[in-house]
Amino acid sequence: AQSVTQLDSHVSVSEGTPVLLRCNYSSSYSPSLFWYVQHPNKGLQLLLKYTSAATLVKGINGFEAEFKKSETSFHLTKPSAHMSDAAEYFCVVSPTNAGKSTFGDGTTLTVKP
Amino acid sequence: EAQVTQNPRYLITVTGKKLTVTCSQNMNHEYMSWYRQDPGLGLRQIYYSMNVEVTDKGDVPEGYKVSRKEKRNFPLILESPSPNQTSLYFCASSSWDQYSDTQYFGPGTRLTVL
Repeated sequence: AQSVTQLDSHVSVSEGTPVLLRCNYSSSYSPSLFWYVQHPNKGLQLLLKYTSAATLVKGINGFEAEFKKSETSFHLTKPSAHMSDAAEYFCVVSPTNAGKSTFGDGTTLTVKP
Repeated sequence: EAQVTQNPRYLITVTGKKLTVTCSQNMNHEYMSWYRQDPGLGLRQIYYSMNVEVTDKGDVPEGYKVSRKEKRNFPLILESPSPNQTSLYFCASSSWDQYSDTQYFGPGTRLTVL
């Protein structure tokens, strides 16, 4: 069994300030973890993924996430928010080698000028 | 260009009228999946397929059918649509390799059932 909890449904930051989007997961096996981004009226795009290699994962557009097994967390961060980062973000857990994927409910990121 | 295509992109139909949403990928991926997206609920998996002729239920399979007769295609069938199936639907595909198991998503199909 697996589940994902995104701890904040909405996050608002000012442009140029750090971003933190929180994700906790549970899984009965060693999972793969992903963050996807969805801009308004667009499809989903992969930001980054963890697949049991390095625990600090770097993604596109300056985003990073750290896998912490002891805390069952995979939080997404970015040092400095840009207006174009405004979107909805999804944390996803799935068994290694595909299978049943579980999405979090999403976090809407708002970036204020 | 590597892509996942879905058709139609928009569909308005009436209760009980059978419909099929097609999904096709050109990346030779083994894994394909269907999701529905509803406000505040994220994406919920409907069905997935590990390979040709291998399908399995996701979290919300009721009212849907799928088939995987060819590797590239994974149609979603609603035999008797109901208004609670009004949603935004996404198809996705990925390879089996754990180091490249990123899911690639189609553009979405917005379905309204009256």
